[in-house]
Amino acid sequence: DTGVSQNPRHKITKRGQNVTFRCDPISEHNRLYWYRQTLGQGPEFLTYFQNEAQLEKSRLLSDRFSAERPKGSFSTLEIQRTEQGDSAMYLCASSLGAPPNTGELFFGEGSRLTVL
Amino acid sequence: EDQVTQSPEALRLQEGESSSLNCSYTVSGLRGLFWYRQDPGKGPEFLFTLYSAGEEKEKERLKATLTKKESFLHITAPKPEDSATYLCAVQAGTGANSKLTFGKGITLSVRP
Repeated sequence: DTGVSQNPRHKITKRGQNVTFRCDPISEHNRLYWYRQTLGQGPEFLTYFQNEAQLEKSRLLSDRFSAERPKGSFSTLEIQRTEQGDSAMYLCASSLGAPPNTGELFFGEGSRLTVL
Repeated sequence: EDQVTQSPEALRLQEGESSSLNCSYTVSGLRGLFWYRQDPGKGPEFLFTLYSAGEEKEKERLKATLTKKESFLHITAPKPEDSATYLCAVQAGTGANSKLTFGKGITLSVRP
């Protein structure tokens, strides 16, 4: 399968613990995005990378959130000191990034986080 | 701030009963409007991109149209497998901005 891969698919943690999600994009895609989706809502933009450079971050992304994309390949999203409000589906997407097609994102199946 | 409003929130159709889903938007400098389909527990799946008013795109039983204020996703003779949540998103602004702003989605149920 050559689609976007996310791990783990489900994570249950206790409040205050740290969690890390991994995303492997489609291999030839140079742009990688993280979105968050809660029940009954559309995805909300968190951050995006072009190759290894993090080019944009949402105001939603507090200091407890950090994302990296070393070497412009896979990406990790870490949440420190989790709170119950962090419970959501974390979606990764990738795109080729060549205008005007920068919005045609290919999403993974998501990593669902439950904070107890 | 970019805003996307989708209506209705939910729609129940009988198989073969055609209908339309609405997406109204308020943005500064629309670069593209996108429709995605999302099945329960899965990530969104890309359907269409529309770039300018008057543009139309078709795929099987789906047809997307765009005006300066809204987009419609027309579903002709739907089948139960068309049941899903349909998300509308806009990309706006200039330069390197790649952020998509999504609406809440419309949950479509098609009864056999």
